[in-house]
Amino acid sequence: EVQVVESGGGLVQPGGSLRLSCAASGFTFSRSWMNWVRQAPGKGLVWVSRINNDGSSTRYADSVKGRFTISRDNAKNTLYLQMNTLRAEDTALYYCVRDNLDYYAMDVWGQGTTVTVSS
Amino acid sequence: QSALTQPASVSGSPGQSITISCTGSSSDVGTYDLVSWYQQHPGKAPKLMIYEGRKRPSGVSNRFSGSKSGNTASLTISGLQAEDEADYYCCSYAGSSSPYVFGTGTKVTVL
Repeated sequence: EVQVVESGGGLVQPGGSLRLSCAASGFTFSRSWMNWVRQAPGKGLVWVSRINNDGSSTRYADSVKGRFTISRDNAKNTLYLQMNTLRAEDTALYYCVRDNLDYYAMDVWGQGTTVTVSS
Repeated sequence: QSALTQPASVSGSPGQSITISCTGSSSDVGTYDLVSWYQQHPGKAPKLMIYEGRKRPSGVSNRFSGSKSGNTASLTISGLQAEDEADYYCCSYAGSSSPYVFGTGTKVTVL
């Protein structure tokens, strides 16, 4: 079964750090481009970051640029999102999503991991 | 990148057709024929319904169709069913620097 499973969310104070992980299975992870998409409580979807298949190219939304770092370990079939200098507005459900380059669309979504930034 | 504009809500009776609009700009929807649509039921992950503006992934009902005119993309749901009640988001490719921009989302209610 093709799936991605996120982990690592939790409660963190403003200014703190957190690292999210995403374990992929059922497809060739090393050939897949990947994204992080977030959804604040009761709000819409927002694209956060994208990484190419070998990790040599990354992109970020302006709202997280300089604070978040996307990376991957193809040997472990795992995607990461290192989040530093967290703000209250980063509170959201974070989805790990496969980028289907044949479609230019995101076709495999995890169930998400919740990040809450609060004192 | 600013979010694409969608109506907050659209409703229809069972069997009817509804259309959700998604308005962007010449930087995204207007330039690229790469609009995708996602369905999200409460508490669930989004599901890809349409890609490249009008194509359906395997397993998606042909009651869902997409189109585009200028800077506006549209999703039409025909033969509306109770199970179609959900939130719908459009998303456009917007270039290699900031590749994806989502719409504001539309809540579809089946009356």
